[in-house]
Amino acid sequence: KQEVTQIPAALSVPEGENLVLNCSFTDSAIYNLQWFRQDPGKGLTSLLLIQSSQREQTSGRLNASLDKSSGRSTLYIAASQPGDSATYLCAGCTSGTYKYIFGTGTRLKVLA
Amino acid sequence: GAGVSQSPRYKVAKRGQDVALRCDPISGHVSLFWYQQALGQGPEFLTYFQNEAQLDKSGLPSDRFFAERPEGSVSTLKIQRTQQEDSAVYLCASSLRDRREAFFGQGTRLTVV
Repeated sequence: KQEVTQIPAALSVPEGENLVLNCSFTDSAIYNLQWFRQDPGKGLTSLLLIQSSQREQTSGRLNASLDKSSGRSTLYIAASQPGDSATYLCAGCTSGTYKYIFGTGTRLKVLA
Repeated sequence: GAGVSQSPRYKVAKRGQDVALRCDPISGHVSLFWYQQALGQGPEFLTYFQNEAQLDKSGLPSDRFFAERPEGSVSTLKIQRTQQEDSAVYLCASSLRDRREAFFGQGTRLTVV
């Protein structure tokens, strides 16, 4: 059974810091991987999708990479801002399946 | 529509009551998922539709849970005889087809009292 671990579980940093959030899968045969953001009481907002043929994706200050050999992904946030405060979730879809399996998230707080 | 729409946003049900949660996916999206999210946890898979066909219902916690998507568009998740442990946020997601980018709705927060 696929299990997803996100480290750290919570993070509090001053504004302007560069951050790295980690995600690892027990089954490294990841086909697609998505990073999401969730604000309190809200649904999930898709941030980045790394598809089967890709190793990383970038959007603005966000960069996500996937090492398929180890089943690990990192989300890099550059020059963090208070508006980045949210829970960040990674979800992977393994080869041969269609459903995304989620980690428990990293709760990020960026202090002004 | 512009995104995945879920209704109601909040539902309070008395224990034993039946509830129905609605999901309007993005127009043209073939794949539709339901997830359950407990407080402080990541979403847990419930069920998956490809068009009107329910291909996977392995995540439904009991036979009190039932989902349908009769015309391959709108989906309804029904919970019969609700119990306190059913209290959670129920999230719906759709994607253009299998293993593509998934887009989530705002969720329905169900509280069973």
